[in-house]
Amino acid sequence: KAGVTQTPRYLIKTRGQQVTLSCSPISGHRSVSWYQQTPGQGLQFLFEYFSETQRNKGNFPGRFSGRQFSNSRSEMNVSTLELGDSALYLCASSHSGIDPTSYNEQFFGPGTRLTVL
Amino acid sequence: KNQVEQSPQSLIILEGKNCTLQCNYTVSPFSNLRWYKQDTGRGPVSLTIMTFSENTKSNGRYTATLDADTKQSSLHITASQLSDSASYICVVTLRRAAGNKLTFGGGTRVLVKP
Repeated sequence: KAGVTQTPRYLIKTRGQQVTLSCSPISGHRSVSWYQQTPGQGLQFLFEYFSETQRNKGNFPGRFSGRQFSNSRSEMNVSTLELGDSALYLCASSHSGIDPTSYNEQFFGPGTRLTVL
Repeated sequence: KNQVEQSPQSLIILEGKNCTLQCNYTVSPFSNLRWYKQDTGRGPVSLTIMTFSENTKSNGRYTATLDADTKQSSLHITASQLSDSASYICVVTLRRAAGNKLTFGGGTRVLVKP
């Protein structure tokens, strides 16, 4: 079974631009969560989508948004990029939700490394 | 404030030796606690998960313990190998009526030297 895939793997943008990141979950998984990882803040939860609906949301500004399609693929968009948005953006999929019990484990993708200049 | 604190921030050990990583949390109400291993440039991979009632869980050379009373967890690596060089992240799930929330520790970076 193929794992979680994220595209692109690397991205360089300038301040003020916008960016869209893509995540394809494991086949059959309906939940997709997005995380931002920086050296200073560690891993931080952005939001979770389940069956095309945002079900959980972290404490990020409205510049960060996402959506999920009927095939469970998800996109994350960041508008008006700031230098502080430079980070590794990770996507994780699970069968049914954000509570990672042993029967509902989250599987992470390799991430998209975003650099804002 | 719900927090997860890990120590030490980094650790250097010799191949074959054991080490223990610590995780203290204030997250409440607690649902479960998971340890992840993250290799450089890759996404985290789950090592163990423990619910409130579990005290210990093993996965090969990795053994996690949980003391829900003191809100402390540890991850013990036995007979370390070079491939154990990675960041280890403690994650606690906060149970909320509005939906569960994951709180991540800052991680411990482990370097195993030959």
